[in-house]
Amino acid sequence: AQSVAQPEDQVNVAEGNPLTVKCTYSVSGNPYLFWYVQYPNRGLQFLLKYITGDNLVKGSYGFEAEFNKSQTSFHLKKPSALVSDSALYFCAVSDNAGNMLTFGGGTRLMVKP
Amino acid sequence: GAVVSQHPSWVICKSGTSVKIECRSLDFQATTMFWYRQFPKQSLMLMATSNEGSKATYEQGVEKDKFLINHASLTLSTLTVTSAHPEDSSFYICSARDQSAGGQETQYFGPGTRLLVL
Repeated sequence: AQSVAQPEDQVNVAEGNPLTVKCTYSVSGNPYLFWYVQYPNRGLQFLLKYITGDNLVKGSYGFEAEFNKSQTSFHLKKPSALVSDSALYFCAVSDNAGNMLTFGGGTRLMVKP
Repeated sequence: GAVVSQHPSWVICKSGTSVKIECRSLDFQATTMFWYRQFPKQSLMLMATSNEGSKATYEQGVEKDKFLINHASLTLSTLTVTSAHPEDSSFYICSARDQSAGGQETQYFGPGTRLLVL
């Protein structure tokens, strides 16, 4: 069985500061890893994914994530946070391109001016 | 990027009625679509996998007779909540997998449908 853990329910950061949203995973085989963002009363927007290749993945809106196989982590990062980044962020994993996604519990990011 | 739409975005209905939610992939074909349910302040829970031209695959604990799924074309899947009750009130989100080369692993999500059963 595959699983995802997002240990922080909420992350608070000041605008302009770097942000990190943590994610660890468990999956048999090679992981397919994703980050999605959800704004209030909206569906999920795809941010970035890791399938293979470089461990540092760059995605939308200046976000990036680093795949660390030894630590089974895929933390989301951004060098300089914006107030508009405030939203709910979900990490997800799959063990195959066509298989179901398993989501973490979500982390609420609050960026304060 | 790939766009998925849902209709309606909001629905309020009386207990006992049936509600149909549509999920469409607007600019790509999707042989597989997924239906999720999200409770307030919680993560997404997969309800079922919808396969074009065949029966949906339901997750454990999801009543297939209550949540009817039809995937009649490569761009449309529907979820019908039959005889809805207040406990069915939730945020329903669909996603579709882009079948194009290099994109099969990414699911694109619709904006969600909020259902309130009175």
